[in-house]
Amino acid sequence: NAGVTQTPKFQVLKTGQSMTLQCAQDMNHEYMSWYRQDPGMGLRLIHYSVGAGITDQGEVPNGYNVSRSTTEDFPLRLLSAAPSQTSVYFCASSSPSGARNIQYFGAGTRLSVL
Amino acid sequence: GQQLNQSPQSMFIQEGEDVSMNCTSSSIFNTWLWYKQDPGEGPVLLIALYKAGELTSNGRLTAQFGITRKDSFLNISASIPSDVGIYFCAGRVGGGNTPLVFGKGTRLSVIA
Repeated sequence: NAGVTQTPKFQVLKTGQSMTLQCAQDMNHEYMSWYRQDPGMGLRLIHYSVGAGITDQGEVPNGYNVSRSTTEDFPLRLLSAAPSQTSVYFCASSSPSGARNIQYFGAGTRLSVL
Repeated sequence: GQQLNQSPQSMFIQEGEDVSMNCTSSSIFNTWLWYKQDPGEGPVLLIALYKAGELTSNGRLTAQFGITRKDSFLNISASIPSDVGIYFCAGRVGGGNTPLVFGKGTRLSVIA
């Protein structure tokens, strides 16, 4: 199994450009989420989804959009990139079973906004 | 929102030494998880804890869910060079569909 696959691995954008970070999982997990990781800040939740058609905001949602049209895919969209969005982005998925919701992470997308 | 205070921020230890790190919060958590992140990779789950007082081992790693449900610790015994990385604690206040809250990580360096 591929697990959680993120593309691209690296991306450089100019301020104002838009792009979509892709995330796909092949484990039939209902729960998917996006985090950003900045030095000294740990992992901060951007958006999450508990199933197809359902999304919700996390701790730092501003500047990002998500949609969940299928169970497998959970793309993250930057409509107008800003330098403050330079970060490493991680997608995670899990299958909730009571409290035993163990999240599995992708390898990350390293984004630089100039 | 809930916050996790993870300490220490970084550690430099000699190979063979034992390591201890912990997470504390003012909130009560139902789940505690410990992840490790290698350079250039995503976090990988090490240990999951679900009950207050629970003590769980995974090889040289041992973690405990604090009795008050507001803290957890991770111990690594007899450290080796491949233990290098960032260790994150994560917790959940509610049920399985509520988001995880992450600590800011402990960066571990092992000197051979």
